[in-house]
Amino acid sequence: NAGVMQNPRHLVRRRGQEARLRCSPMKGHSHVYWYRQLPEEGLKFMVYLQKENIIDESGMPKERFSAEFPKEGPSILRIQQVVRGDSAAYFCASSIAGGTSYNEQFFGPGTRLTVL
Amino acid sequence: SQQGEEDPQALSIQEGENATMNCSYKTSINNLQWYRQNSGRGLVHLILIRSNEREKHSGRLRVTLDTSKKSSSLLITASRAADTASYFCATGSGSARQLTFGSGTQLTVLP
Repeated sequence: NAGVMQNPRHLVRRRGQEARLRCSPMKGHSHVYWYRQLPEEGLKFMVYLQKENIIDESGMPKERFSAEFPKEGPSILRIQQVVRGDSAAYFCASSIAGGTSYNEQFFGPGTRLTVL
Repeated sequence: SQQGEEDPQALSIQEGENATMNCSYKTSINNLQWYRQNSGRGLVHLILIRSNEREKHSGRLRVTLDTSKKSSSLLITASRAADTASYFCATGSGSARQLTFGSGTQLTVLP
């Protein structure tokens, strides 16, 4: 039973390029969350998605960042025109459908983005 | 918005000793979870405690929750070098599904 999968594990981009980060949730999970972690800090919530729906994007920067979770395929976090400040580790988590916020979130290994 | 804060920021102990980390938060919660992160790796879920629970055990881990003081503690007994990692508390509250993380405690267990 594979856990949450993220790829790539490491991504290097030059300023102005686009970064695409992918996340496949655990089998049977239909809720996906994206978090960002800056060096020496905790994780900060970015966006919460269900299949084909963005439920809460209160943590997403207003510009350049977007996320989707299509009916088929992985969830994508897209960062356009990257800047050095976007360098961070981006983690995806998934949880089962339904229930309350008691649901446990399972995290992927993260994608470490470096912007040169 | 609420934020979990871990205390201490860093802790160094000898193998075999117990390690205690604390977490404080600001607003009402539904649950509190502890995670471990090894350097440069992803997060591993350790334990979840609900707001109506006061204590929970899992192997060498013991978590307490005091909602009146808005605080939680994680105790690792008989620590091992392999326990060296960063430990984060994360809270879930209200109807929001996202977790709010603290800044973590860096635990170093010396052999």
